[in-house]
Amino acid sequence: GESVGLHLPTLSVQEGDNSIINCAYSNSASDYFIWYKQESGKGPQFIIDIRSNMDKRQGQRVTVLLNKTVKHLSLQIAATQPGDSAVYFCAENNTGFQKLVFGTGTRLLVSP
Amino acid sequence: GAVVSQHPSWVICKSGTSVKIECRSLDFQATTMFWYRQFPKQSLMLMATSNEGSKATYEQGVEKDKFLINHASLTLSTLTVTSAHPEDSSFYICSARDQTRALLYEQYFGPGTRLTVT
Repeated sequence: GESVGLHLPTLSVQEGDNSIINCAYSNSASDYFIWYKQESGKGPQFIIDIRSNMDKRQGQRVTVLLNKTVKHLSLQIAATQPGDSAVYFCAENNTGFQKLVFGTGTRLLVSP
Repeated sequence: GAVVSQHPSWVICKSGTSVKIECRSLDFQATTMFWYRQFPKQSLMLMATSNEGSKATYEQGVEKDKFLINHASLTLSTLTVTSAHPEDSSFYICSARDQTRALLYEQYFGPGTRLTVT
C-alpha cells in the first residue's frame, strides 16, 4: 500500500535569486556534514561538505554555513537556476559510527 | 571516477516473490557499502551496512531475514527482498565507500532502484 509520507518543506524562488536552505541536525557529536541534491528518480548527488572544525565553506555558487551552537546547517545557492530545482538533503556523520544520517529534505522550486 | 551503478533501475514483482538488486562500484574498490530505502516524499533511511566478506549490520527495525545482503567482492553488494509485499514498494539506493580514501565518511551513491510490488 501507499505509505503516508511527510510533506516536504518547499522553497520557491525566481531564477537569479539567492536561495537559502536550512537544516537542523540532531547529534552534537557529529563531525562531518554534507549537502546532497536529489532529482526525481535519481540517487543523491554530492554538493558540498564541511567538517565540524569549520563554520563556513564555499564552492562554486554554493556556500555551507555551520552553527554548532544551535546545531544548524544551511546551504546557500547563489543565482539560482531552473536546473537547481530538486530536493536537497543535509546529512551528518559521526566518526565513531561511520554512517550518515539524513535530514528530512527541502524541495527547491526555481521558476524562470 | 567513483561511479556506483545499480541494477535493475526499476522492477515490478508480484507479492510473495523475491527480487535481487545489485550495487556495483565501477572504478574503485569498496570494502563498505550501504543500503538505503526511501519512501515517496521522505528522506533516505539507512537499512544496513555491508562489509565485504562479513555479515551485514542492520539498523534497528530492519528485518535481516527479509532483506538479505551479500557483499561477496570488493565491487559488488546485493540486496534481496524476500517474500516481497506491497509495503516493500520503495526506492532502494546503495552507496559505496572507497577504501583508498583517507576520508572514511565519503560515500558515493548509486542511481537507485524503484521496486513496485503488486
